[in-house]
Amino acid sequence: GAVVSQHPSRVICKSGTSVKIECRSLDFQATTMFWYRQFPKKSLMLMATSNEGSKATYEQGVEKDKFLINHASLTLSTLTVTSAHPEDSSFYICSAGGGSRSYEQYFGPGTRLTVT
Amino acid sequence: AQKVTQAQTEISVVEKEDVTLDCVYETRDTTYYLFWYKQPPSGELVFLIRRNSFDEQNEISGRYSWNFQKSTSSFNFTITASQVVDSAVYFCALSAVEYGNKLVFGAGTILRVKS
Repeated sequence: GAVVSQHPSRVICKSGTSVKIECRSLDFQATTMFWYRQFPKKSLMLMATSNEGSKATYEQGVEKDKFLINHASLTLSTLTVTSAHPEDSSFYICSAGGGSRSYEQYFGPGTRLTVT
Repeated sequence: AQKVTQAQTEISVVEKEDVTLDCVYETRDTTYYLFWYKQPPSGELVFLIRRNSFDEQNEISGRYSWNFQKSTSSFNFTITASQVVDSAVYFCALSAVEYGNKLVFGAGTILRVKS
C-alpha cells in the first residue's frame, strides 16, 4: 500500500496557540485527502475532505474557522487547529486517496494533540 | 444514508480460541467497498482487507477470514487460533461511490486476547 506520513506524531501546546499538522503522501499523488478525529475509545469521525487546489469540504458540525485545512499540492495537506483549547485535545488522523486509487484511502500514523 | 454497525463493543477470548467480529452495513448504493482495519494501542490504523460489492467470495488470509453476505448486509471477520498480538480495536468501514468515497466507520470492537 501507499505510504502516508504525519508530522508531528505528538504535540503539546498551550491554550490559545495554534498548531499545524502535516500530512504527506510519499509515493503517490493524492488528489483527495481526508482528516479524521478520534476521541479516546471512540471511532474515527470524518472532519473534512480536501481536494488539491480547492477549498476543503467540512462535515456538519465541524468549525471551518477552527480547523483550517490546506491542500496546496498533490502530496501535502495541512490541518491547523487555531486558538486551541483543551477540548481540542484528540487524535487526528489523515488519509490520502484519489486518482487511480479513488476508492482507497491510505492512513497516516496519526497525531496526538494535547492542549494544556 | 450510509451506516456501519458493530454491535460488539468488546470481546474477550483466551488465546487459541476462534473469534468472530460482526459488521452490518447499510447503503443504497449498488457500488461500494467494505473494509476492515486494525488499530493497535499505538494508534496507527492497519489495513486488513477491502471488498467490493460485486465480489461476494469469502477470503482467507492466514488466520484471518472474512464472510461477505449481501443478503444480510454483513461483512464478518473471523480470527482463528487467536493470539495475544491480535488484541486491538477492529473497525469495519464502508465507502460508497454515491457518498463521494468517504469512509464511514463502525464504532469499533475492542478485542482482548488473554494468555
